[in-house]
Amino acid sequence: QSALTQPRSVSGSPGQSVTISCTGTSSDVGSYNYVSWYQQHPGKAPKVMIYDVSKRPSGVPDRFSGSKSGNTASLTISGLQAEDEADYYCCSYAGIYTLEVFGGGTKLTVL
Amino acid sequence: EVQLVQSGAEVKKPGESLKISCKGSGYTFTSYWIGWVRQMPGKGLEWMGIIYPGDSDTRYSPSFQGQVTISADKSISTAYLQWSSLKASDTAMYYCARKTGRVGFGGSMDVWGQGTTVTVSS
Repeated sequence: QSALTQPRSVSGSPGQSVTISCTGTSSDVGSYNYVSWYQQHPGKAPKVMIYDVSKRPSGVPDRFSGSKSGNTASLTISGLQAEDEADYYCCSYAGIYTLEVFGGGTKLTVL
Repeated sequence: EVQLVQSGAEVKKPGESLKISCKGSGYTFTSYWIGWVRQMPGKGLEWMGIIYPGDSDTRYSPSFQGQVTISADKSISTAYLQWSSLKASDTAMYYCARKTGRVGFGGSMDVWGQGTTVTVSS
């Protein structure tokens, strides 16, 4: 069982928006603004899309945005494109003993 | 170009030892933490631990403490992940990644290695 809970799958049509949730606890997501999101295509290494809840690394399209409310973080992808189809993982700092924890991952299907 | 290059795939028997590597280039290796992430076949990402090559400060996820050893040789810009006695359940892809920011102060894993497949089978 993963420390952070994500939906196993989400889907959307090209051009639509989708939101992936990441639910933790007051010991991780709820306590720190250190949530990051990673995209992983099959057979490839993960790629950071969002860090520190809502910051976007250079080169990541502004279609990708992040937010947090309480113990739940969210990744929103607007204007869905075929190449967005991938697995997405959230990750949160969880204190000096647990350090970092990942969510179980969400498979995004672009219909 | 900033990159992390990992050692090649390994096939081992249960009980054997193993050390895989992750060589950094294109940046100051001693100024960034290097983390290790496990991905078992068909499963999600698991955060294992992290090391700061500058002073070898090493932290482990509780799930991996005592199961693996993370080390680094800053003279050759290389981090390592090792096992003293492999189990079949160690079969997985292992990624190293560079972490921006200090542990506990945000940032992300911004550069990833290509992954090392470890297969443990009798």
